Amino acid sequence: SQQGEEDPQALSIQEGENATMNCSYKTSINNLQWYRQNSGRGLVHLILIRSNEREKHSGRLRVTLDTSKKSSSLLITASRAADTASYFCATDSSILTGGGNKLTFGTGTQLKVEL
Amino acid sequence: DGGITQSPKYLFRKEGQNVTLSCEQNLNHDAMYWYRQDPGQGLRLIYYSQIVNDFQKGDIAEGYSVSREKKESFPLTVTSAQKNPTAFYLCASSWGVRQPQHFGDGTRLSIL
Repeated sequence: SQQGEEDPQALSIQEGENATMNCSYKTSINNLQWYRQNSGRGLVHLILIRSNEREKHSGRLRVTLDTSKKSSSLLITASRAADTASYFCATDSSILTGGGNKLTFGTGTQLKVEL
Repeated sequence: DGGITQSPKYLFRKEGQNVTLSCEQNLNHDAMYWYRQDPGQGLRLIYYSQIVNDFQKGDIAEGYSVSREKKESFPLTVTSAQKNPTAFYLCASSWGVRQPQHFGDGTRLSIL
């Protein structure tokens, strides 16, 4: 099963509202990353939060991490129609044979921001 | 501009045919990855490579093969042994351990 599970699966809001997505995971992690995917495109990295951090900001994005609850949330403030996309959390919890990091992706939250 | 280029964008495979998906990066990244994405699901790791001439199986390597003869290139072959190849394939790269991954725009593979 997926390490990360996003909630909700789909979210529809009006432009200007805030959008909150949650991610739960099962094993200990080194860091947790959030990615965005526009329909039919590749993923774009948004923000990385390390296991010893509790909150991180980047522009209109705010990410929190609670390692005791094995959960993270992504808040997008003052949403815009252009924020319409799927958002994935990915947990970095192991080093692959020969180096490199293994990311385990959740199933994503589909966000629709309506005018 | 630096980035990852995947080609073709759409690919069709006949029964019993092998097809190769291209992935090229000019980011000077050492690590490269191939993922498969099915509708409504997250990404699953097929193969990865940390250095030229070396690669390792991911979680769902059966029916796939790769090569890494150059740092910039990491092609994926979907063989006839892969019985359910219809999916969206994504290539990614990273500087290395604990770093964010950069993705190409994917190749959508379908069966004729």
